[in-house]
Amino acid sequence: AQSVTQLGSHVSVSEGALVLLRCNYSSSVPPYLFWYVQYPNQGLQLLLKYTSAATLVKGINGFEAEFKKSETSFHLTKPSAHMSDAAEYFCAVSEENTGFQKLVFGTGTRLLVSP
Amino acid sequence: SAVISQKPSRDICQRGTSLTIQCQVDSQVTMMFWYRQQPGQSLTLIATANQGSEATYESGFVIDKFPISRPNLTFSTLTVSNMSPEDSSIYLCSVERQDQQGQETQYFGPGTRLLVL
Repeated sequence: AQSVTQLGSHVSVSEGALVLLRCNYSSSVPPYLFWYVQYPNQGLQLLLKYTSAATLVKGINGFEAEFKKSETSFHLTKPSAHMSDAAEYFCAVSEENTGFQKLVFGTGTRLLVSP
Repeated sequence: SAVISQKPSRDICQRGTSLTIQCQVDSQVTMMFWYRQQPGQSLTLIATANQGSEATYESGFVIDKFPISRPNLTFSTLTVSNMSPEDSSIYLCSVERQDQQGQETQYFGPGTRLLVL
């Protein structure tokens, strides 16, 4: 079975600083990888996804992630944090099961942005 | 993307009662999913709901506790039965739909926040 590990339950950055949220996956087959964001009291919003095309994936709100097969990683980055980026971020991997993609989520990383 | 609404958005319930959560999608979808997000934890898939067939439950979830209906291609309900405080969670529905690149992607509703006293 596939799994996802997100290092760091909380990450704190200053406004304008680089954001780096780590995600490592385990998979015996080429995975599909996703980053979702959950703002307070809201559902999940898709930030970006990797589906075996370009290894550097650009998403919404200035976020991007790079798929590194040798490191089994899919870390999320943003060059300059904004206060509005404060949220919970979930990395997920999909496995094909009976014809649909079953998402397996990591435990999440809460991003805190200080002025 | 997909426009997904859930009702209720939140509720406070007494133990032993049941709550039915509704999920409405703006257009027809084949696959709908129900997830649970317990406090401070990640999302766990409860079951997959196809229109016209029985829902498929994940390990640890049973139909008697979480009965699901899928009467048409735009609507589903999840019932949390005989609730206990341990059922306090956010319950989210999601749908699978093709994005602009023609790839299947899951889109999530806003969630239902349930507190059981």
